[in-house]
Amino acid sequence: NAGVMQNPRHLVRRRGQEARLRCSPMKGHSHVYWYRQLPEEGLKFMVYLQKENIIDESGMPKERFSAEFPKEGPSILRIQQVVRGDSAAYFCASSPTGSDGYTFGSGTRLTVV
Amino acid sequence: GQQLNQSPQSMFIQEGEDVSMNCTSSSIFNTWLWYKQDPGEGPVLLIALYKAGELTSNGRLTAQFGITRKDSFLNISASIPSDVGIYFCAGPPGGSGTYKYIFGTGTRLKVLA
Repeated sequence: NAGVMQNPRHLVRRRGQEARLRCSPMKGHSHVYWYRQLPEEGLKFMVYLQKENIIDESGMPKERFSAEFPKEGPSILRIQQVVRGDSAAYFCASSPTGSDGYTFGSGTRLTVV
Repeated sequence: GQQLNQSPQSMFIQEGEDVSMNCTSSSIFNTWLWYKQDPGEGPVLLIALYKAGELTSNGRLTAQFGITRKDSFLNISASIPSDVGIYFCAGPPGGSGTYKYIFGTGTRLKVLA
């Protein structure tokens, strides 16, 4: 009965590289959410996805960031050409429906050097 | 944008003491959630509140949904060392999708044994 699994737990990238963050939702959950947490701050909503669909990406930066949740496999948050300001903890959460409280994973801590 | 302000920002307390913290908003919330985040981990849901005036307990934790729907309170009785962490209030603001949470700024709790 695994929870929300995120990997890697820690990721170091040089400026200009790409970062790929993976999230496997809890079994039976088809709704996935990504949040970002800057140091000493609360979490901020980025995107909400269901299988093969982006439902709400209003919190995603317009450039360099993209997310997908394919029919098979984990959800991926992709950050192209990373900059130092992208350094943060990225959390994924999942829920069985779009209106339930959701469960968070342990996060991926991205450091851009 | 919408904001949730939590107070106090941080607190040191002695083991066995009771703790109170609150969360206020400039706009109405239909649901209030209280999460705890341990270092290096994702937030874990402690209590969910769905109705103005509602008072809900979970072990030593008690939370209330303010009558105005613009605030919420969390109390921890007889604190123990493992209560250390960051406590966040969160919720979907009224008028937005129920999946999109705003998180507060957090209250950092440190318990002195």
